[in-house]
Amino acid sequence: NAGVTQTPKFRILKIGQSMTLQCTQDMNHNYMYWYRQDPGMGLKLIYYSVGAGITDKGEVPNGYNVSRSTTEDFPLRLELAAPSQTSVYFCASSYGVVSLNTEAFFGQGTRLTVV
Amino acid sequence: TQLLKQSPQFLSIQEGENLTVYCNSSSVFSSLQWYRQEPGEGPVLLVTVVTGGEVKKLKRLTFQFGDARKDSSLHITAAQPGDTGLYLCAGDNDYKLSFGAGTTVTVRA
Repeated sequence: NAGVTQTPKFRILKIGQSMTLQCTQDMNHNYMYWYRQDPGMGLKLIYYSVGAGITDKGEVPNGYNVSRSTTEDFPLRLELAAPSQTSVYFCASSYGVVSLNTEAFFGQGTRLTVV
Repeated sequence: TQLLKQSPQFLSIQEGENLTVYCNSSSVFSSLQWYRQEPGEGPVLLVTVVTGGEVKKLKRLTFQFGDARKDSSLHITAAQPGDTGLYLCAGDNDYKLSFGAGTTVTVRA
């Protein structure tokens, strides 16, 4: 039972480099989310998707891009890495809208350091 | 701006003691969720509360949703080292989950 799988687990990037954080879920969930977690700040929503082909911005989208070509996959792209993007990134998915008593399932996170 | 404010930020207690953490907001939520996160892992859902005044119990954990649906509390009775972790509350915000900053709980053996 894989659930939500994120790769890589750790990555060090140099300023200006780009990378894609991968996220895949095997629960056939329509809703997928990307959060970043900074110390003492909780989780901030970067982007979310309510289904294949549909994405929208969250609270902190600047410097990131996403795509959702399939139900299973929701990659997060960093084009020009900056030190402010050093964080732990979590991907999550849910069957429906969370306000309808629906659980969000999280991956194990990707710890990204930009130097 | 954090929609949900959690207090205290840190809590360290001895095994067997009780503790309460709080989650407060000026906004009304149709539901609130509590998650626990252990180091190196993603958050895991503990409970969802949906009705104002609702109280839910999960073994030694008691969750309460305020009558006005703006605040919630989590009470742990006779805490154990296995309760150590980051406790996060989350509320629905225009069909998206909005998280508080969390309370880090450490239970010493």
